Amino acid sequence: DQQVKQNSPSLSVQEGRISILNCDYTNSMFDYFLWYKKYPAEGPTFLISISSIKDKNEDGRFTVFLNKSAKHLSLHIVPSQPGDSAVYFCAGTQGGSEKLVFGKGTKLTVNP
Amino acid sequence: GAVVSQHPSRVICKSGTSVKIECRSLDFQATTMFWYRQFPKKSLMLMATSNEGSKATYEQGVEKDKFLINHASLTLSTLTVTSAHPEDSSFYICSAREAGAGQETQYFGPGTRLLVL
Repeated sequence: DQQVKQNSPSLSVQEGRISILNCDYTNSMFDYFLWYKKYPAEGPTFLISISSIKDKNEDGRFTVFLNKSAKHLSLHIVPSQPGDSAVYFCAGTQGGSEKLVFGKGTKLTVNP
Repeated sequence: GAVVSQHPSRVICKSGTSVKIECRSLDFQATTMFWYRQFPKKSLMLMATSNEGSKATYEQGVEKDKFLINHASLTLSTLTVTSAHPEDSSFYICSAREAGAGQETQYFGPGTRLLVL
């Protein structure tokens, strides 16, 4: 049973436009969500997170939206830059647990 | 940011042999380290959580006798795949968390690609 789903394996956008990466989850116990970015041959690096008590968290060009009723979150990157090209993983966790449950990732390509 | 290294980055071995993968936190002390496995086109799956000086906690379905984890110091954890078989071929990645740090501060290593022939 896949608790965190990223249904789009890839996404391609033009530089300067908005990138929207989607993530759905099935575990209603999740109360904290994180996005990680991964470049080839490197480990994932933390990007942004959101607690379930919020519906939006913004950090510079990156904004994460959470819709608890739909069990859906999305990462918006605007404006997108070629350096944003990477694989983006969504992860959920619950109740202060150290355990992160990851999605399969979405490969974002930002074209110059 | 904090750096976590893994060694080796890639290993090819014969079926039946054992392979040891090291995970090191280079500039911080990691009381907790995590080992993940990722199959092609699949998500990162947590295999086990190890705390320095104690036995690792394995996730359901992960054989602790096959995947031996040792976290002998605050900067080093090792994963040994014993009697490796072709189905163990995968991408193994570790992460480390500093004592008292928040959930987002899991620093990941670059991963180790294991191919068992």
